[in-house]
Amino acid sequence: EVQLVESGGGLVQPGRSLKLSCAASGFTFSNYYMAWVRQAPKKGLEWVATISTSGSRTYYPDSVKGRFTISRDNAKSSLYLQMNSLKSEDTATYYCARQGAAIAAHWFAYWGQGTLVTVSS
Amino acid sequence: DIVLTQSPALAVSLEQRATISCKTSQNVDNYGISYMHWYQQKPGQQPKLLIYEGSNLASGIPARFSGSGSGTDFTLTIDPVEADDIATYYCQQSKDYPRTFGGGTKLELK
Repeated sequence: EVQLVESGGGLVQPGRSLKLSCAASGFTFSNYYMAWVRQAPKKGLEWVATISTSGSRTYYPDSVKGRFTISRDNAKSSLYLQMNSLKSEDTATYYCARQGAAIAAHWFAYWGQGTLVTVSS
Repeated sequence: DIVLTQSPALAVSLEQRATISCKTSQNVDNYGISYMHWYQQKPGQQPKLLIYEGSNLASGIPARFSGSGSGTDFTLTIDPVEADDIATYYCQQSKDYPRTFGGGTKLELK
């Protein structure tokens, strides 16, 4: 059974940093692209970042590019999101997601339960 | 960026058919594949994949759900609607980066 468990969320002041983690199990982690997707309170879904199987390629929307960094440790089956220069508009539940097909990055086949990040002074 | 447009809400009766639409600002087809995917999200839960590549049913999803369309116009159909289907439904494109989602359609009981 595929399991994705996020951690690291919490309350953080604007301008500060936070690092999220996602522990994966139930599949061969190194075979899949991974991603982060967020959802602001009462709002829709927003894709945040995607990383290739080896970690050599990363993708971001303009809203987080230069502030957020996605990374992975295949030996630990773990995904990370380093978030710097946080803004109030980054307040959201952050979901870790496994992409659908091996070595591809199209649909989000499995999602974690999410971790809430609140950016406020 | 490719913009996906969904109606905010749809009211439906149980055991009837629900048709949820998603229109994209650009063609999301490539080499015969529609890079359109659908998700269901219930309150307090994470999203769940329903349909991938336009019309492929995800694992474990009932055959009451189906996806259709191509180019810029796509549809998620639920037939018949059951009480457990009351949720918000999102479309998502993967033709280009940035990956984008529609605003969501909240399925409500009539």
